[in-house]
Amino acid sequence: GNSVTQMEGPVTLSEEAFLTINCTYTATGYPSLFWYVQYPGEGLQLLLKATKADDKGSNKGFEATYRKETTSFHLEKGSVQVSDSAVYFCALVGDSSYKLIFGSGTRLLVRP
Amino acid sequence: EAGVAQSPRYKIIEKRQSVAFWCNPISGHATLYWYQQILGQGPKLLIQFQNNGVVDDSQLPKDRFSAERLKGVDSTLKIQPAKLEDSAVYLCASSLEGGYNEQFFGPGTRLTVL
Repeated sequence: GNSVTQMEGPVTLSEEAFLTINCTYTATGYPSLFWYVQYPGEGLQLLLKATKADDKGSNKGFEATYRKETTSFHLEKGSVQVSDSAVYFCALVGDSSYKLIFGSGTRLLVRP
Repeated sequence: EAGVAQSPRYKIIEKRQSVAFWCNPISGHATLYWYQQILGQGPKLLIQFQNNGVVDDSQLPKDRFSAERLKGVDSTLKIQPAKLEDSAVYLCASSLEGGYNEQFFGPGTRLTVL
């Protein structure tokens, strides 16, 4: 079945550091890929998405590129801020089902 | 636009007791989802409603969990009797009808079973 694997956290960075959170997936066909973010005390929010190979999703300085050849959708940001501290979830929706499948989440802590 | 509302935010119960969670989706959203998020894991879909009909409940432990969405708006999720392994955050989400549309999540209900 479909699945998502993310790097384990926590990831601890200093402000203005470069961020990469790895995500790989297993799915048949052509899934759509998502990054969700969960700030402390808040609900999950969609951060960005990509619906086909080589698409790049971007939002709030974050980017992720849909790489079908490596079945990856790594999240990157060039310069993180303290306010980016949150849990980040990679997720997919298969092309035959609209069910969201989530990875286990990666906690990011950004220190001033 | 008001978001997805859930209550209560926190609940502590003893094992074998029953508990109910409530969700009010975004106005006009025909599709409603309940997820279970165990600590350290990603959310797992329990049940999906389209209006007041069940679309997918394949991962709902039906011997103890039940859910309903009367009139196609608010929904309740019930656990009876609760087990220790039911300790988790229960998330409600809603989306527009048809195909895949962005799901908007509520803040969740954190359940602790002692």
